[in-house]
Amino acid sequence: GEQVEQLPSILRVQERSSASINCTYENSASNYFPWYKQEPGENPKLIIDIRSNMERKQIQGLIVLLDKKAKRFSLHITDTQPADSAMYFCAASVGRGYQNFYFGKGTSLTVIP
Amino acid sequence: GALVYQYPRRTICKSGTSMRMECQAVGFQATSVAWYRQSPQKTFELIALSTVNSAIKYEQNFTQEKFPISHPNLSFSSMTVLNAYLEDRGLYLCGARDEALQNTLYFGAGTRLSVL
Repeated sequence: GEQVEQLPSILRVQERSSASINCTYENSASNYFPWYKQEPGENPKLIIDIRSNMERKQIQGLIVLLDKKAKRFSLHITDTQPADSAMYFCAASVGRGYQNFYFGKGTSLTVIP
Repeated sequence: GALVYQYPRRTICKSGTSMRMECQAVGFQATSVAWYRQSPQKTFELIALSTVNSAIKYEQNFTQEKFPISHPNLSFSSMTVLNAYLEDRGLYLCGARDEALQNTLYFGAGTRLSVL
């Protein structure tokens, strides 16, 4: 299996500043790391992901970094807006073929106008 | 696009009774479906991973006897919570994946189970 730790559990930032969420995993065989955003009453939605053959990926204001040696990956939201306020979950997927996704416990992000 | 529908969205059942929830994939083939329970503290617990035409793999603390799952084709899966009690409350999410689309896991909106 896999264990994913996610910190912080609560994050409050000022509008237009950056927000960073960090996750660590245990299984060195994990090879896929998605990030999900969940708004109140909604299903989790994939916002960005990174595979183990990459160290960095950026989609607009979202940056994901992967450090395989440290078994750590992180999400950085630049120029945050109130609409970024939500729960964010990291996940790690281990193995080949049909894979289980193991989720972190989530980070509640609040962007203060 | 790829969408996953879950129903019912909310359900209330009496303690000791059972309820069934369904998951429908649209726009892609759900070759594997993972069922999760999200607790009030927002933690995701993986219940089981189901691959069509293959055995369903349950995580520790979850059993087929309690959470029987059906995954008969590439667009549909269902899970039943048998003999529901207070500790079974939560948001049940199905996440469906098509290996042809690689790793992307698409979630339904969830079925929120309340137990009286």
